[in-house]
Amino acid sequence: GAGVSQSPRYKVAKRGQDVALRCDPISGHVSLFWYQQALGQGPEFLTYFQNEAQLDKSGLPSDRFFAERPEGSVSTLKIQRTQQEDSAVYLCASSSLNEKLFFGSGTQLSVL
Amino acid sequence: SQQGEEDPQALSIQEGENATMNCSYKTSINNLQWYRQNSGRGLVHLILIRSNEREKHSGRLRVTLDTSKKSSSLLITASRAADTASYFCATDARGDSSYKLIFGSGTRLLVRP
Repeated sequence: GAGVSQSPRYKVAKRGQDVALRCDPISGHVSLFWYQQALGQGPEFLTYFQNEAQLDKSGLPSDRFFAERPEGSVSTLKIQRTQQEDSAVYLCASSSLNEKLFFGSGTQLSVL
Repeated sequence: SQQGEEDPQALSIQEGENATMNCSYKTSINNLQWYRQNSGRGLVHLILIRSNEREKHSGRLRVTLDTSKKSSSLLITASRAADTASYFCATDARGDSSYKLIFGSGTRLLVRP
């Protein structure tokens, strides 16, 4: 596609519910990143994929967070047993040369 | 935790004026980037400056980098109402994790028409 696509755009979850956030990167981009952005803050790194390999998951806040990219294109960020502190915008970005990142519009997650 | 800190946190100027935002970071870098974010949208890349460069221009944007002070500035000249957005600096880190961009907390710019 023309850009990075994320879905859903908004997600409201009840505390304890599992959620799955999808990212379609730019076709051919090897690198894919997930970031978490709290209100009024800058994006915080969560995890990084090179093709299908998850090379860095050091930013994932807890073992309730899980990301995958099984075929090296679409990626899914899954959050199990959501908590109120998980409420944030989740941004996906892709890159071909690990320099300039192209971001999606994000998924705004609200946990009630 | 965030590597960079922008200053000021918020800036309000009149259309036509120049806007200057500053960024400080902590560790040695390969390059520094600036991104812009409109409310409710993703970030858009503006400009990249490498550690061996001191100044770079792109249209109405001018970026400087001082690696000895670990700081950068973004100047937007002749601002327009459409420049209203949040601006973030982002740095990589030399070494094995150079793929990872660390973002600052951002400067919220308001350009009044």
